[in-house]
Amino acid sequence: KAGVTQTPRYLIKTRGQQVTLSCSPISGHRSVSWYQQTPGQGLQFLFEYFSETQRNKGNFPGRFSGRQFSNSRSEMNVSTLELGDSALYLCASRTGPPITDTQYFGPGTRLTVL
Amino acid sequence: GENVEQHPSTLSVQEGDSAVIKCTYSDSASNYFPWYKQELGKRPQLIIDIRSNVGEKKDQRIAVTLNKTAKHFSLHITETQPEDSAVYFCAADTGRRALTFGSGTRLQVQP
Repeated sequence: KAGVTQTPRYLIKTRGQQVTLSCSPISGHRSVSWYQQTPGQGLQFLFEYFSETQRNKGNFPGRFSGRQFSNSRSEMNVSTLELGDSALYLCASRTGPPITDTQYFGPGTRLTVL
Repeated sequence: GENVEQHPSTLSVQEGDSAVIKCTYSDSASNYFPWYKQELGKRPQLIIDIRSNVGEKKDQRIAVTLNKTAKHFSLHITETQPEDSAVYFCAADTGRRALTFGSGTRLQVQP
């Protein structure tokens, strides 16, 4: 099976702009989670989608949003970008709802906000 | 919410030595504790996990121990090799189908 894929791999934006990142899970996986990785804060949970519904959300402002489509592909959107949003955004997919299902990460999208 | 602390932040060992990374968590309801390895420029990959009904789990040179009473768990790597050099993250489930990660340990194995 193909692994988790993310597009684009790199993005450069300026403050105030918005950005949309895409994640395609492993075939058959219906749960997609998003994480922000920064050197200072480590890996932080953004949100999780299962069957097109957001099931869980981390402590991020409302500028961060997401959605999931019927084919389990997911997108996340960040509006009104700030310098502090520069990070590696990782998505991870797993088969179903249980957190004990193995999570497989994508390669990430590196976002730079200037 | 769940808080996971990980130590040390960096660890340097000689090839063939053992390495131990420790994590503590705050939520006594946590039941699932995975460990991820992230090589430079690559995605995190699950290397081992343990559930709360088990005290120890081994997979070849890697083992994880869990002490639920003390709320800490540890990763043990024996006979380290240069390819073990990476950043290792521990995590704990929050009880809400999400994972809280530790801050990571950069392991360097000197040949």
